[in-house]
Amino acid sequence: EPEVTQTPSHQVTQMGQEVILRCVPISNHLYFYWYRQILGQKVEFLVSFYNNEISEKSEIFDDQFSVERPDGSNFTLKIRSTKLEDSAMYFCASSEGDRGNQPQHFGDGTRLSIL
Amino acid sequence: KNQVEQSPQSLIILEGKNCTLQCNYTVSPFSNLRWYKQDTGRGPVSLTIMTFSENTKSNGRYTATLDADTKQSSLHITASQLSDSASYICVVSALTNAGKSTFGDGTTLTVKP
Repeated sequence: EPEVTQTPSHQVTQMGQEVILRCVPISNHLYFYWYRQILGQKVEFLVSFYNNEISEKSEIFDDQFSVERPDGSNFTLKIRSTKLEDSAMYFCASSEGDRGNQPQHFGDGTRLSIL
Repeated sequence: KNQVEQSPQSLIILEGKNCTLQCNYTVSPFSNLRWYKQDTGRGPVSLTIMTFSENTKSNGRYTATLDADTKQSSLHITASQLSDSASYICVVSALTNAGKSTFGDGTTLTVKP
């Protein structure tokens, strides 16, 4: 069964540095998402992406964050000037469509640790 | 503010027993409700999806119900197995921003032999 893959599985970065998290969505999917989960807390929506544009974003997704699909397969989340509070698990997900009955498929996440 | 509340926070049951997890939401206007299973250190895996017109959906030993009038959902697990030990998350989306889902805190289920 096709999977969403994320790399790296664990990223350790110094505070203030830029980090790029990578995701390869399922190949025929058109909608892409990033979520984060701070340790011990609930999953939080960050951003959704369709047709090379952000379709929705949360209050968390401020100017520090950006997403792009540079080559038609990878979907990346960039965090500029990382802060300690950015430490979390970041999940990528994809879906065929955005209708209510279409599931989102999640990757296993990248654990980001900011030192 | 859209909210999703799950209960209980955690649950311990013996292998082979049934259990029911609850989800109450205030998301409006309602689009769909999803139940996910999240194993430790893994991403969530979709179990069921229900839209407004559906009031029950099954996936093997998992059966979800939805009461859109009372804004409540339940996930019933039948004949539990050790591998059912995980966090079960209720996620609700609104019609006006379908991609901007609201997640519950999850119920941590432990199945003991």
